[in-house]
Amino acid sequence: QKEVEQNSGPLSVPEGAIASLNCTYSDRGSQSFFWYRQYSGKSPELIMFIYSNGDKEDGRFTAQLNKASQYVSLLIRDSQPSDSATYLCAVTDSGTYKYIFGTGTRLKVLA
Amino acid sequence: KAGVTQTPRYLIKTRGQQVTLSCSPISGHRSVSWYQQTPGQGLQFLFEYFSETQRNKGNFPGRFSGRQFSNSRSEMNVSTLELGDSALYLCASSLTAVSYNEQFFGPGTRLTVL
Repeated sequence: QKEVEQNSGPLSVPEGAIASLNCTYSDRGSQSFFWYRQYSGKSPELIMFIYSNGDKEDGRFTAQLNKASQYVSLLIRDSQPSDSATYLCAVTDSGTYKYIFGTGTRLKVLA
Repeated sequence: KAGVTQTPRYLIKTRGQQVTLSCSPISGHRSVSWYQQTPGQGLQFLFEYFSETQRNKGNFPGRFSGRQFSNSRSEMNVSTLELGDSALYLCASSLTAVSYNEQFFGPGTRLTVL
């Protein structure tokens, strides 16, 4: 059973701090990695994707991928109360390409 | 460009009934995936359709079925509803069905089974 693991949280950070969200996965052949943000009562919204080892930056968001260690992380700089949400990590199955989601990490940014 | 649309947004049914949910993908997208989201289980994959063919299927009973039409719109059907089927049903579309295509979610259909 291929799995994606995330700490459920809540992860609480003060406003303006860096929030660090982590995700590990079991399928060594996975090629694509995604981060979604989901506000309470809403559907997931794609915020970052990464395919190669290393860092990828987009505004206040940085995704980091380490395939050798099978983990992917999301850093949110200058965290704002509006960043408070559940962050879902998704990884594509190497055999079928379907997405496997983690159960999400709840982030709370304290004003 | 319009996003993924799902209808209806809310449904209330009773045990034993059946339900059909609809999803219209982003224009030009040919792959549609369906997920069930519950507080306890998170996002669970139901099935994926590409060019009217079911490409992948999750571990759900046969009561859950789906189809895709030539215009890429998709429907999913749940027969003989059970209380445990109460959930948010999400549809996601992507351009094609390969690993490097991002999926974009619709607003979901919230199903309540009484």
